[in-house]
Amino acid sequence: AQSVTQPDIHITVSEGASLELRCNYSYGATPYLFWYVQSPGQGLQLLLKYFSGDTLVQGIKGFEAEFKRSQSSFNLRKPSVHWSDAAEYFCAVASPLGGYQKVTFGTGTKLQVIP
Amino acid sequence: GAVVSQHPSWVICKSGTSVKIECRSLDFQATTMFWYRQFPKQSLMLMATSNEGSKATYEQGVEKDKFLINHASLTLSTLTVTSAHPEDSSFYICSARVPTGYNEQFFGPGTRLTVL
Repeated sequence: AQSVTQPDIHITVSEGASLELRCNYSYGATPYLFWYVQSPGQGLQLLLKYFSGDTLVQGIKGFEAEFKRSQSSFNLRKPSVHWSDAAEYFCAVASPLGGYQKVTFGTGTKLQVIP
Repeated sequence: GAVVSQHPSWVICKSGTSVKIECRSLDFQATTMFWYRQFPKQSLMLMATSNEGSKATYEQGVEKDKFLINHASLTLSTLTVTSAHPEDSSFYICSARVPTGYNEQFFGPGTRLTVL
């Protein structure tokens, strides 16, 4: 079955430490891939996206993600976390089936940043 | 970039009443819009695909008579929650698809619905 998985429900990191949030997908062909951030009670903010080409994608707020076809992964990274990064992070995919129209979201990873 | 707005940003209503939520693409025309629902501490679930000038396509398990979708123009889609009940309380987010290039979707800020 086609799916997108975020295996970590909750992650806690110290401010200034590095961060990696995991995302795996299960689709026959490479989907479009996205990372969004959501603060409590707020809408979604797009951090970065991958359609094709360079597998290392730079986003806003110092985030980057690397598409690894062999691992069906699109992990989000940040070298030094700031307290303001505490939020919920969603990986999302747009399936090639149906022309990439439908976006499916992972279950989210809640990031807590401690001083 | 493409901007999508939603109105209202939050609404409180009594059980049994109907509530309409608007989704607008402000600087582009969107033949296709999408409606998502997010329960507290959960992910977003696609409810329906809204196509301009035609009937919406609902995902499995979503009651089309409960959640009426109208996409009457290229910049506006509306979601009406009919005879709302407390279990309909949720965060509703719309998105609009840019009909060029990678068919990218842009998301609105969401509408918080609370049914008393």
